[in-house]
Amino acid sequence: KAGVTQTPRYLIKTRGQQVTLSCSPISGHRSVSWYQQTPGQGLQFLFEYFSETQRNKGNFPGRFSGRQFSNSRSEMNVSTLELGDSALYLCASSTVPSGANVLTFGAGSRLTVL
Amino acid sequence: SQQGEEDPQALSIQEGENATMNCSYKTSINNLQWYRQNSGRGLVHLILIRSNEREKHSGRLRVTLDTSKKSSSLLITASRAADTASYFCATLASGGSYIPTFGRGTSLIVHP
Repeated sequence: KAGVTQTPRYLIKTRGQQVTLSCSPISGHRSVSWYQQTPGQGLQFLFEYFSETQRNKGNFPGRFSGRQFSNSRSEMNVSTLELGDSALYLCASSTVPSGANVLTFGAGSRLTVL
Repeated sequence: SQQGEEDPQALSIQEGENATMNCSYKTSINNLQWYRQNSGRGLVHLILIRSNEREKHSGRLRVTLDTSKKSSSLLITASRAADTASYFCATLASGGSYIPTFGRGTSLIVHP
């Protein structure tokens, strides 16, 4: 069974540009969550999608957006990049979100903003 | 804000020793999970303990949960160099939310 696949693994952008990250969940997993990880803030929840609908959203500005397709694949977009957006962006999938929501993470996309 | 906070932030031990990490949280939880992250990689789920459980084992891992103190501990027995990683606790608050909230993690180094 293939794991969670994130692309690209590494990318470098400059301030003001935008970026799109992709996540393919485990087959059969319909919930996809995104987290931002930085040394100073740890893992911060961005948003979660289930059946193409954003069900939960973290405390991030509107520059951060996402979507989910009918095959459960998800993308997140960051517009007008800032230096502080440099981080490891982690995608995680789970079957049906419930009180015992165990996440399977991808390897992450490392974004560097110059 | 972070729900769970791990302690210590960093831990350095020799192979064969036991490693204990603690996690404290603030609100009532449905369950608590521990994850491991090797440097620059994604997190891997280790173990889940429900709010009505006090202790759980998985191989060399032992997790305890004290809901009265709002704390949990992860014990790794007979540590190996391959256990070197960051360890995170994640809490699922009771009351309907199913989004795990992560702490900042404990960085464990096991010297061969």
